[in-house]
Amino acid sequence: GIQVEQSPPDLILQEGANSTLRCNFSDSVNNLQWFHQNPWGQLINLFYIPSGTKQNGRLSATTVATERYSLLYISSSQTTDSGVYFCAPKAGGTSYGKLTFGQGTILTVHP
Amino acid sequence: EAGVTQSPTHLIKTRGQQATLRCSPISGHTSVYWYQQALGLGLQFLLWYDEGEERNRGNFPPRFSGRQFPNYSSELNVNALELEDSALYLCASSFRRTNQPQHFGDGTRLSIL
Repeated sequence: GIQVEQSPPDLILQEGANSTLRCNFSDSVNNLQWFHQNPWGQLINLFYIPSGTKQNGRLSATTVATERYSLLYISSSQTTDSGVYFCAPKAGGTSYGKLTFGQGTILTVHP
Repeated sequence: EAGVTQSPTHLIKTRGQQATLRCSPISGHTSVYWYQQALGLGLQFLLWYDEGEERNRGNFPPRFSGRQFPNYSSELNVNALELEDSALYLCASSFRRTNQPQHFGDGTRLSIL
């Protein structure tokens, strides 16, 4: 099946800093989602981005499907941004329907 | 609009018992997905149901099973519970068999004593 690698595994920031999270995947994809999991375990949709660039407030994401990677940008980080960020592409074939999650990036934002 | 709802929030069982977890999808969604998030193992795909049929299954033993009802809600059943089944079980839903995004519920935390 598809392999998903996220980097960095851990990231510590001061409030107000910017950051870039990366997701590499090993196969062509039909869909790719970014999620934020908060300390209570809730998985929050950030972006549905199989290709191209999208922005939502301080967050933006870019997926270059032909080169098999996606980036999540966080600008002017806040303490509420802390948590785990997951990239989850969806491949075709026998993987049809399922999202394959990376191991996540643990983000800690200090005030 | 109501999101994906899961029940119960927490469930405590002992080894060998059976657990039933429930999920109601977003209105209009026909696909329901189940994922397991065990400590140290990340989020893993369990099952996918669409229009009452099992469409795909992850690498889990047969004692993990489920079904989807005519109203598109779903149950996940875990038989002969083992300690390693302790995990957060997340349900997601999406529009039918397309590449629409999956939306997740808040999960059921299953603890095996």
